[in-house]
Amino acid sequence: AQSVTQLDSHVSVSEGTPVLLRCNYSSSYSPSLFWYVQHPNKGLQLLLKYTSAATLVKGINGFEAEFKKSETSFHLTKPSAHMSDAAEYFCVVSVRPSGGSYIPTFGRGTSLIVHP
Amino acid sequence: EAGVAQSPRYKIIEKRQSVAFWCNPISGHATLYWYQQILGQGPKLLIQFQNNGVVDDSQLPKDRFSAERLKGVDSTLKIQPAKLEDSAVYLCASSSRIQGNSEAFFGQGTRLTVV
Repeated sequence: AQSVTQLDSHVSVSEGTPVLLRCNYSSSYSPSLFWYVQHPNKGLQLLLKYTSAATLVKGINGFEAEFKKSETSFHLTKPSAHMSDAAEYFCVVSVRPSGGSYIPTFGRGTSLIVHP
Repeated sequence: EAGVAQSPRYKIIEKRQSVAFWCNPISGHATLYWYQQILGQGPKLLIQFQNNGVVDDSQLPKDRFSAERLKGVDSTLKIQPAKLEDSAVYLCASSSRIQGNSEAFFGQGTRLTVV
């Protein structure tokens, strides 16, 4: 079985300051890891993904995440927050039990609030 | 490449009524998922299909929810009878079975309000 823990339900930053959204996972299989963003009344948009290649992954809109196997973490960062980054962010772990299909499991989400 | 299509986008029904949602996945994607996202929570997997067979429906409330994917392409999710707590966004997603291609692609969702 796999699970995802997003350590903060809300993160509040000022525009122009760094963003850190924390995610820890557990998995019995080699995981693929994703971050999705969801703006109000919009669909889920993929920010970035880790699929066993480089551990530092760069995504859209200046976001990046680092896969740390020893810490079972996949934290999302951005050097400078923009007002348009305010949204709900979901960390997702996806595993493929032998011979089966991928099973994406979501964290509970972190609401990013950006102050002017 | 067309994305995952879902309809309707919005639905309001009274409790004890029935409702159905439709999903058309990305062409060629063998795996199809239905998720329920209650306000303020992350999406929860309800059911997963591989072609027209069910892979996992352990979190599907089978006394009122049903889903099918008869021809291994599009899918319908039905609720009968609906309860107030079924108010949520229902998301459909699809993915390829190709090894190493683990990304799931999501539709816009159907927002259900039960009154």
